[in-house]
Amino acid sequence: AQSVTQPDIHITVSEGASLELRCNYSYGATPYLFWYVQSPGQGLQLLLKYFSGDTLVQGIKGFEAEFKRSQSSFNLRKPSVHWSDAAEYFCAVGPPSSYKLIFGSGTRLLVRP
Amino acid sequence: GAVVSQHPSWVICKSGTSVKIECRSLDFQATTMFWYRQFPKQSLMLMATSNEGSKATYEQGVEKDKFLINHASLTLSTLTVTSAHPEDSSFYICSATSGGSGANVLTFGAGSRLTVL
Repeated sequence: AQSVTQPDIHITVSEGASLELRCNYSYGATPYLFWYVQSPGQGLQLLLKYFSGDTLVQGIKGFEAEFKRSQSSFNLRKPSVHWSDAAEYFCAVGPPSSYKLIFGSGTRLLVRP
Repeated sequence: GAVVSQHPSWVICKSGTSVKIECRSLDFQATTMFWYRQFPKQSLMLMATSNEGSKATYEQGVEKDKFLINHASLTLSTLTVTSAHPEDSSFYICSATSGGSGANVLTFGAGSRLTVL
């Protein structure tokens, strides 16, 4: 069955510290991979996506993610977290050229001053 | 950039009543809109795909008669929860696309929280 797992429900980091949010997926073939961020009262915003090519992808707001086929993972990273990064982060997968995304359950990021 | 507005952002209703949620694309024409449901601490689940001028396509397990979707114009789709019950309480999110291929052209609304008493 196709699924996305975000094992961490909450993560708390200090401002300025590095961040890694985990995402593992189960899919029949190599899917398109996405990370979205949702701030309170806001819609989901696309941070970055992987379709093919270089497995390290750069996104907005200083985020990057690395696709590891052997581990079926697409972890999100940021070298130095800012207080404004506090939000809910969703990993999602989908077949190429389709809008039908499968979302993970989300990871809520809290940032300590 | 593209903006999708949902209204209301939250609504409380009595059991047995119907509730309508609107999803509007403010600065682009949305050929396709999508409705999702999100339970607390769970994933967004796609409920249905709505194409302008045609009937919505519902995902397996979603009751068509319970969740009525209308996409009468290129900027508006509505989700009506009919005869709402407490188990329909949830966070409903819409997204829209103006075309192109792939999910990179999806714009999401801020969501509507429904509480049925």
